[in-house]
Amino acid sequence: EIILTQSPATLSLSPGERATLSCRASQSVSTFLAWYQQKPGQAPRLLMYDASKRATGIPARFSGSGSGTDFTLTISSLEHEDFAVYYCQQRSKWPPGITFGQGTRLEIK
Amino acid sequence: EVQLVESGGGVVQPGGSLRLSCSASGFTFSNYAIHWVRQAPGKGLEYVSAISFNGDSTFYIDSVKGRFTISRDNSKNTLYLQMTSLRVEDTALYYCVKDWGNGVSTYYFDFWGQGIPVTVSS
Repeated sequence: EIILTQSPATLSLSPGERATLSCRASQSVSTFLAWYQQKPGQAPRLLMYDASKRATGIPARFSGSGSGTDFTLTISSLEHEDFAVYYCQQRSKWPPGITFGQGTRLEIK
Repeated sequence: EVQLVESGGGVVQPGGSLRLSCSASGFTFSNYAIHWVRQAPGKGLEYVSAISFNGDSTFYIDSVKGRFTISRDNSKNTLYLQMTSLRVEDTALYYCVKDWGNGVSTYYFDFWGQGIPVTVSS
């Protein structure tokens, strides 16, 4: 099973600041990586897929990058509604599986 | 508007069974793979199972193989998850999730239901 490790576990920033979230895979997943946002009491929302493609309706302040084992989600200028938990997720053909990272909590400083 | 509405959750003793259903609307159900993802209380997301758009292919994580069965009825726009031999560690909120790909399983999840709680406890 491919393990995804997200860092930091918690990120404390202020509105308007830039957020950089990391996701590292235990082996290469090429660019088969997605990012999700989850707010309290809500289902997750797809933000990015194929590492760098924004999902429908996602604001341009969200961007993704990376390939292989190291990936980054960047929020260029934080809005109040961006404070949430973020998960990365990979899909692999071998070993076959779908796994999520443990999440990064983005909190207001 | 895409909607996924789960039902059938509840409290069950270890070793018991439950059948979850997911009623879909707002898209052509028969064109999309559907998945189950769960989230234990206060924890992260765990992928559970998938079924292809036509039902020919299924996938399970190791911890539920042989205990859970995913199926779908495209004539009713409904997905099912039959859960047997339930364990305490199966306690979670179970989400029904739509695959992003039309006619192909991409394993990216673009629409999620609100989730249905399953509690396994004696």
